[in-house]
Amino acid sequence: DVKVTQSSRYLVKRTGEKVFLECVQDMDHENMFWYRQDPGLGLRLIYFSYDVKMKEKGDIPEGYSVSREKKERFSLILESASTNQTSMYLCASTINWEFHSNQPQHFGDGTRLSIL
Amino acid sequence: QKEVEQNSGPLSVPEGAIASLNCTYSDRGSQSFFWYRQYSGKSPELIMFIYSNGDKEDGRFTAQLNKASQYVSLLIRDSQPSDSATYLCAVSNNDMRFGAGTRLTVKP
Repeated sequence: DVKVTQSSRYLVKRTGEKVFLECVQDMDHENMFWYRQDPGLGLRLIYFSYDVKMKEKGDIPEGYSVSREKKERFSLILESASTNQTSMYLCASTINWEFHSNQPQHFGDGTRLSIL
Repeated sequence: QKEVEQNSGPLSVPEGAIASLNCTYSDRGSQSFFWYRQYSGKSPELIMFIYSNGDKEDGRFTAQLNKASQYVSLLIRDSQPSDSATYLCAVSNNDMRFGAGTRLTVKP
């Protein structure tokens, strides 16, 4: 089974802090994704990566950046946290960029982030 | 117009009944369709995927796809209280789009 591990289940930070959310997958997947999930809005894509050191903006990249230095690890960074970034953050991975549109995404357990 | 639309619910059915969950999408070029189940406070887990028009059955679950109508549905037969969750529809055409989910409650 694919295992996608997010470093924290719950996180509380203060406005203006730099926040790091970590995600690791153990199945050698090429593609990794960061979403946020808010009530009534569903899952919204923040950034994704299809290879080491590669990144692409999703639908809502403003206020976020990402880092993928190793294939198994994809980090989401909130440069200066704001209260409107309070949300559930989900990391996901799929196996291969060329066929990724046909591949289901495997999700981590999520990080519930509160910005005070 | 949202790209993937689902009725937010809640949809309430008695135990043993058939639960019918619906999803419409706007991108006519969409190729792949997925249903995820998400328990409260948990992450989404894949339960079904379908690529071709028609029905696909897996145990108590049946996914139905009608590309001409841009419609995909999930039927859950013999619903159990453990099926109570939010069901997310996801549609992909080189990138995946999720609906906001339908909350299903199965009452004993």
